[in-house]
Amino acid sequence: GQQVMQIPQYQHVQEGEDFTTYCNSSTTLSNIQWYKQRPGGHPVFLIQLVKSGEVKKQKRLTFQFGEAKKNSSLHITATQTTDVGTYFCATGNTGKLIFGQGTTLQVKP
Amino acid sequence: DTGVSQDPRHKITKRGQNVTFRCDPISEHNRLYWYRQTLGQGPEFLTYFQNEAQLEKSRLLSDRFSAERPKGSFSTLEIQRTEQGDSAMYLCASSGDHWPSYNEQFFGPGTRLTVL
Repeated sequence: GQQVMQIPQYQHVQEGEDFTTYCNSSTTLSNIQWYKQRPGGHPVFLIQLVKSGEVKKQKRLTFQFGEAKKNSSLHITATQTTDVGTYFCATGNTGKLIFGQGTTLQVKP
Repeated sequence: DTGVSQDPRHKITKRGQNVTFRCDPISEHNRLYWYRQTLGQGPEFLTYFQNEAQLEKSRLLSDRFSAERPKGSFSTLEIQRTEQGDSAMYLCASSGDHWPSYNEQFFGPGTRLTVL
């Protein structure tokens, strides 16, 4: 079945540095969603991408869907301590979501 | 609070006991999902409902797991004869039932199950 792999698993950055997490699939995906889970919290929907080459921005967050629709990235510019958490990519066709393993971001103040 | 709620938030049980969890979705959402999450992993799909109909169940889900949504509103997830491997966070989510809204899922706080 469909699988999405995320790298890196962990990332430690100094506050103010940029951060990028990558989501890859061996098969073409119809869509990608990104969720954020704060420590001790539950996943919170950030965005959905559906078009080849799509780029969406939310303040300091930039989301991209690859031209071949086999990969996606989330880039955070100038990280803040509030960005701490685990970022998951997910994909689904019927509402059933398949999640990646997540990238856990730690930000040193 | 109009978000997804789950009860209980924590459950400690002994191996072999049965447990039941409840999820109340966002009221206008027709779809309700159950996921399981273990430490360091992403949520793993268990099953989902559209209204009262259970449309899909993971092949990984053993016969000890059963879920219901009898009136198309709240849902219950029951685990019979619990095993230590069942220890996890059980997450409920809800969404609309049209593309693309069903991929925008709203998660509840989860029920953390510990099986001793």
